[in-house]
Amino acid sequence: GENVEQHPSTLSVQEGDSAVIKCTYSDSASNYFPWYKQELGKGPQLIIDIRSNVGEKKDQRIAVTLNKTAKHFSLHITETQPEDSAVYFCAASWNGGSQGNLIFGKGTKLSVKP
Amino acid sequence: DAGVTQSPTHLIKTRGQHVTLRCSPISGHKSVSWYQQVLGQGPQFIFQYYEKEERGRGNFPDRFSARQFPNYSSELNVNALLLGDSALYLCASSPGVGTWVTGELFFGEGSRLTVL
Repeated sequence: GENVEQHPSTLSVQEGDSAVIKCTYSDSASNYFPWYKQELGKGPQLIIDIRSNVGEKKDQRIAVTLNKTAKHFSLHITETQPEDSAVYFCAASWNGGSQGNLIFGKGTKLSVKP
Repeated sequence: DAGVTQSPTHLIKTRGQHVTLRCSPISGHKSVSWYQQVLGQGPQFIFQYYEKEERGRGNFPDRFSARQFPNYSSELNVNALLLGDSALYLCASSPGVGTWVTGELFFGEGSRLTVL
């Protein structure tokens, strides 16, 4: 089955710096790659996603890149702010995410220091 | 608009007991998925239901079961609780047919189960 590896497990940056989180997946049939942000005491919330027919997607300060050949994808956050501090999860799905069965990485705890 | 609501928010059980967790999806959403999140780990897929039918099942023992009701709400049941069942149980809803391909899951805040 699919396996998703996520690095680093913790990341500390200064406010205004960029943060990069990387994930690799094992199943070449995976075609949907979302990123979720989970704040303390809350459920995960989708922040950006990308499908296998696209190499890069941006939404304001957040961008995701996908390298299908290498089977890895990355989350880039620019101009980080203290409110970006949270746990970020990457995930992969082989069927476009339509079945609701995402395979998650173990998470990255991002701390943004003022 | 109300998001995904789950109950109870916290509960404590002892080994061998049974637990029922409940989830109400976002209004208009017909698909509900259940995930288990152990402390320090990512969510792990348990079940997905759409239109009251099971559409997907993760690698969990038969002690775990679920169902979806005509109003699209859902229950997750766990029998013969083990210490290792202690976790945050997350429910997620999605629109279903028509916007099926969007893929986005909307998560509730979860039910935290502690098994002693």
